[in-house]
Amino acid sequence: DMKVTQMPRYLIKRMGENVLLECGQDMSHETMYWYRQDPGLGLQLIYISYDVDSNSEGDIPKGYRVSRKKREHFSLILDSAKTNQTSVYFCASRQANTEVFFGKGTRLTVV
Amino acid sequence: QQKVQQSPESLSVPEGGMASLNCTSSDRNFQYFWWYRQHSGEGPKALMSIFSDGDKKEGRFTAHLNKASLHVSLHIRDSQPSDSALYFCAASEPGANTGKLTFGHGTILRVHP
Repeated sequence: DMKVTQMPRYLIKRMGENVLLECGQDMSHETMYWYRQDPGLGLQLIYISYDVDSNSEGDIPKGYRVSRKKREHFSLILDSAKTNQTSVYFCASRQANTEVFFGKGTRLTVV
Repeated sequence: QQKVQQSPESLSVPEGGMASLNCTSSDRNFQYFWWYRQHSGEGPKALMSIFSDGDKKEGRFTAHLNKASLHVSLHIRDSQPSDSALYFCAASEPGANTGKLTFGHGTILRVHP
């Protein structure tokens, strides 16, 4: 069963706290992504990872960093979270030019 | 500038009717196009891809691509209430190593009984 799993699904953090969003996939896909989704803005690419320790900035990387130490896991880290980072975060994975598989998302609220 | 633009922002069609969604790219490097659908509370899910000029039909869904104008459309015939969702157009450059998929802002489709 092809799946992208995100944990946690909901998270509330205070401004200035560190945030760790975790993502796993069971398809051995090389490429993984982190997107954020805000109303009316669609999906914005934060980071893309082409394989273990091979990460590239997307369109909105400021305030975020990522870690990929195993092909099946991709983490998004927010150091000192800000209120404007309140959003729904989606992890996704893909092999070559096939379809992108998305997780169910993590709704992060920074208060 | 938004590289992938979708229209309309929202659309309401009667059950059994035809829904038509549009997408235009401003980047000529984009050659591969995808349509994704997102139901409330879920992640987006791929509907279909189109890489060549012309039509591609999958069940009730037909995509049309015009590479010269970088225009892609999605037509849903016999629309069902379960088709109510947010629809995204996405585009990428050819080549397996680029990986980057750029999304439009989406079209909200409502199918009413």
